[in-house]
Amino acid sequence: GDSVTQMEGPVTLSEEAFLTINCTYTATGYPSLFWYVQYPGEGLQLLLKATKADDKGSNKGFEATYRKETTSFHLEKGSVQVSDSAVYFCALIKIFNAGGTSYGKLTFGQGTILTVHP
Amino acid sequence: DTEVTQTPKHLVMGMTNKKSLKCEQHMGHRAMYWYKQKAKKPPELMFVYSYEKLSINESVPSRFSPECPNSSLLNLHLHALQPEDSALYLCASSPASGASSYEQYFGPGTRLTVT
Repeated sequence: GDSVTQMEGPVTLSEEAFLTINCTYTATGYPSLFWYVQYPGEGLQLLLKATKADDKGSNKGFEATYRKETTSFHLEKGSVQVSDSAVYFCALIKIFNAGGTSYGKLTFGQGTILTVHP
Repeated sequence: DTEVTQTPKHLVMGMTNKKSLKCEQHMGHRAMYWYKQKAKKPPELMFVYSYEKLSINESVPSRFSPECPNSSLLNLHLHALQPEDSALYLCASSPASGASSYEQYFGPGTRLTVT
């Protein structure tokens, strides 16, 4: 079945440091890929997405490139802030079609806790 | 507008109580989802509704009963829960046709404690 593997955390950085969170996936076909962020006490927010190979998703200074050859979707940010402290989830989606309608089933990685110190 | 709202934000209930969680979206999405999230874990899918019809039930115990009264609303009825059901319950929505990626947008969740 489909699976997503994220680098083990927690990750602790100083403000303005460079961030990389590794994500690799196993799936049939070419799923869309996502990064979600969850701030303490909140729900998940869609951070960025990529729908096909070599697509680069970007938002709020974060970037990730869909690499089909390495089945990876690593998250990067050049200079982190204290406010980026959160849990980050990598995910892929499988689309199901039935009777003219579609819905997606997300497969999440285990999440990476990021703490940024001043 | 990419907002999904959920009420209540917090809920404490006894094992004999009946309560309901509510979710609402106005993005015109026709697929809606319930997830359960335990601390420090990713969300686990419970139910999927597509065009107000139940499409997926991930073998969820019958003490959880979903309902989709219209295209904007999703309810989760709770009855005779167990302490291990304490968790963050998340609602999400997505397009159900003609989209490129069907990304899901999540609400802030309801923090449920069963005593």
